[in-house]
Amino acid sequence: AQKVTQAQTEISVVEKEDVTLDCVYETRDTTYYLFWYKQPPSGELVFLIRRNSFDEQNEISGRYSWNFQKSTSSFNFTITASQVVDSAVYFCALSQNRDDKIIFGKGTRLHILP
Amino acid sequence: DAGVIQSPRHEVTEMGQEVTLRCKPISGHDYLFWYRQTMMRGLELLIYFNNNVPIDDSGMPEDRFSAKMPNASFSTLKIQPSEPRDSAVYFCASSSSPRVIAGGSHEQYFGPGTRLTVT
Repeated sequence: AQKVTQAQTEISVVEKEDVTLDCVYETRDTTYYLFWYKQPPSGELVFLIRRNSFDEQNEISGRYSWNFQKSTSSFNFTITASQVVDSAVYFCALSQNRDDKIIFGKGTRLHILP
Repeated sequence: DAGVIQSPRHEVTEMGQEVTLRCKPISGHDYLFWYRQTMMRGLELLIYFNNNVPIDDSGMPEDRFSAKMPNASFSTLKIQPSEPRDSAVYFCASSSSPRVIAGGSHEQYFGPGTRLTVT
């Protein structure tokens, strides 16, 4: 079975602070994809990143960075120097190679306070 | 390049009425997914298509829900008759072949959603 757990339901931080969103996944497959999506208050779901199970290199994109660790089955997302525009619900997701579907976590609602 | 297009963006209807939601996937994508999002249940996959063929409809709540994909550029999700508990945001998403093949891309791109309110 595959499963994605985002234990943090809601987080509030003050602007310019760094914040890390946790994601833990379960899968029996050795080949899989991990994703992060952002859902701002406007409601659309925006794709942020995809990693495959063979690539454990951390990724950095501007203020965003992702830490993929197979040893702990985690794919955490860090926002550095947070801004009010980062306020959104963030979803971590998993897909196995043999399956067409993506399984989403419950999401973490992030509030960046001015 | 246009993204996934959904219409209408908002729909308000009375219980018992038929509701049809529409989706145009990204050109070239051969997978199309319908999701429902509510506060209580989060994001639920209802059904998905590959090359216009329904592959898995196990998430469709009941017989009142039906989905079609008559061609590669159009899909509909129909609720008949609608009930207040169907009120939700319905998303359509598309992707290219998800298999781990050279150049394969697995991420799904979502439309803006249709906010359905059934009174």
